[in-house]
Amino acid sequence: LAKTTQPISMDSYEGQEVNITCSHNNIATNDYITWYQQFPSQGPRFIIQGYKTKVTNEVASLFIPADRKSSTLSLPRVSLSDTAVYYCLVVLNQAGTALIFGKGTTLSVSS
Amino acid sequence: GAVVSQHPSRVICKSGTSVKIECRSLDFQATTMFWYRQFPKKSLMLMATSNEGSKATYEQGVEKDKFLINHASLTLSTLTVTSAHPEDSSFYICSAFLAGGPDTQYFGPGTRLTVL
Repeated sequence: LAKTTQPISMDSYEGQEVNITCSHNNIATNDYITWYQQFPSQGPRFIIQGYKTKVTNEVASLFIPADRKSSTLSLPRVSLSDTAVYYCLVVLNQAGTALIFGKGTTLSVSS
Repeated sequence: GAVVSQHPSRVICKSGTSVKIECRSLDFQATTMFWYRQFPKKSLMLMATSNEGSKATYEQGVEKDKFLINHASLTLSTLTVTSAHPEDSSFYICSAFLAGGPDTQYFGPGTRLTVL
């Protein structure tokens, strides 16, 4: 499993765009990049997943360069409710593979 | 969307007792479910993989006789913490794998276990 490295914490203000970068130098050909969000005392929630280039949904965008050794989760115009821990995971494209969580990035949004 | 529930949401028990935690996939069938535990301000740690109709696969360092896992149906997996001790106090989270994408898992809301 590819190891991921992301900042331990980030601070932002409401209305700003937040970009969280994750390094995964040993990503394999069949791996996907997945991001989860977790609020205190709740289970993680799927945010976005991608393989290459750019993926966008109603919540976030995911940018993946051609070499796929890193990825950036972009949260547009954050609000206080976006304060959470964000986990970057590299997931093998194989049915039923367990997710291995790293330390995650604690995002704190202030007013 | 896919929903996973856990019951109970929190439980307090005395040391030495056993506690059962249920994980259900409400609107889909899950042949594979996973159990994690999470200590305060720490990341999730995978405990075991639960497969319907077969024995669970435990991660290294997880005592299978202490954390009994049963996956008797396609929508229910249970984790029983036997002879619980204060050090077993933690946040236990399950997830269920839903086929249809590159490994999409859906997580339950978690169960807070406190052993006195």
